Amino acid sequence: QQQVKQSPQSLIVQKGGISIINCAYENTAFDYFPWYQQFPGKGPALLIAIRPDVSEKKEGRFTISFNKSAKQFSLHIMDSQPGDSATYFCAGQGEYGNKLVFGAGTILRVKS
Amino acid sequence: ETGVTQTPRHLVMGMTNKKSLKCEQHLGHNAMYWYKQSAKKPLELMFVYNFKEQTENNSVPSRFSPECPNSSHLFLHLHTLQPEDSALYLCASSLQDRADTGELFFGEGSRLTVL
Repeated sequence: QQQVKQSPQSLIVQKGGISIINCAYENTAFDYFPWYQQFPGKGPALLIAIRPDVSEKKEGRFTISFNKSAKQFSLHIMDSQPGDSATYFCAGQGEYGNKLVFGAGTILRVKS
Repeated sequence: ETGVTQTPRHLVMGMTNKKSLKCEQHLGHNAMYWYKQSAKKPLELMFVYNFKEQTENNSVPSRFSPECPNSSHLFLHLHTLQPEDSALYLCASSLQDRADTGELFFGEGSRLTVL
């Protein structure tokens, strides 16, 4: 019940295209869903986060879409740029507070 | 120095060695974490400390021993490790030990190879 399933494992997108990464969770007690971005040789950094009381959150070219009934959420990167090439992790806040449960990550490569 | 600093960045050790990983945060945070990152696997939470007290041990084998002498420093002592323990070990900090009250700030990690 604690898993967060993330897909695809890797993704190649042309510059200017839309990158879409999907996540599904099982634990209905999750109430906070962040996305972290990790560049090679660096630690993950918070990109954007959403709570289940809204269906969408947008920050610049990055949008989270949230479907509470389906227990799914996704990250959309509009106008993808080579600088967006990184590994993206979705996560859910565990019901015991501090325990973030991460997905396995998606390696995104944006081709110029 | 700002942010979360981890040393060493790379470590190679034999199965009988004893070594330590160090993490230091300059953000004034009260919670610190150790995560294990293996290829194609989710980030695994290992330990959580809040105000120097351990609040989470995610069933980590005793060959990993954490130490948190103060809110700014976190160590991971390693002994008699196995080759499958080879991974990137990430330290993180947050204002409090709840992710939804503030983001996790990660260090760049210590890449551990166990021969």
